[in-house]
Amino acid sequence: EPEVTQTPSHQVTQMGQEVILRCVPISNHLYFYWYRQILGQKVEFLVSFYNNEISEKSEIFDDQFSVERPDGSNFTLKIRSTKLEDSAMYFCASSGNRVGYNEQFFGPGTRLTVL
Amino acid sequence: KQEVTQIPAALSVPEGENLVLNCSFTDSAIYNLQWFRQDPGKGLTSLLLIQSSQREQTSGRLNASLDKSSGRSTLYIAASQPGDSATYLCASSGEDDKIIFGKGTRLHILP
Repeated sequence: EPEVTQTPSHQVTQMGQEVILRCVPISNHLYFYWYRQILGQKVEFLVSFYNNEISEKSEIFDDQFSVERPDGSNFTLKIRSTKLEDSAMYFCASSGNRVGYNEQFFGPGTRLTVL
Repeated sequence: KQEVTQIPAALSVPEGENLVLNCSFTDSAIYNLQWFRQDPGKGLTSLLLIQSSQREQTSGRLNASLDKSSGRSTLYIAASQPGDSATYLCASSGEDDKIIFGKGTRLHILP
């Protein structure tokens, strides 16, 4: 059964460093998403991406964040200068259609720890 | 702005019992409602998705219902098993391209 994969499973970084979180969505899906979950809190939407551009982003997704689909298979989330409060679990998701019309499939997540 | 609430935050139930998890949402103009399972430190597994035009969905021992007018959804688990222990998340989607999650109900099935 096709699944969303994410690498690495755990990333430790120093405050101020850049990190890139990688995702491989399900191959025939067209819509891609990033979410994050700070320990003990709700899963929060960050950004959605379709047709090589951002279609929606939350207030969390500021200039420190960027997304890219560098090739036909990968979808990345970059944090330019990490802060302590960026420590969270980051989930990638993909959907064959807009989220309102089709379910999203989530990856296992990347745990980001900022020291 | 949509808000999704799940009560209770935690629930312990003896093995074999049937149980209901509750979810409420403030904006009834949803496109669908999805239930997820999350094991500790793990990702999200989609359990059931109910479109706004549907009243319920079933998968095995799981049944999810949706009442848009009252802003409520329930997840019914029949004949609970220790392997059902996990956090169950409810999430709604609307015309904007994102899912709004509840905080979840942490379920513990007692052997």
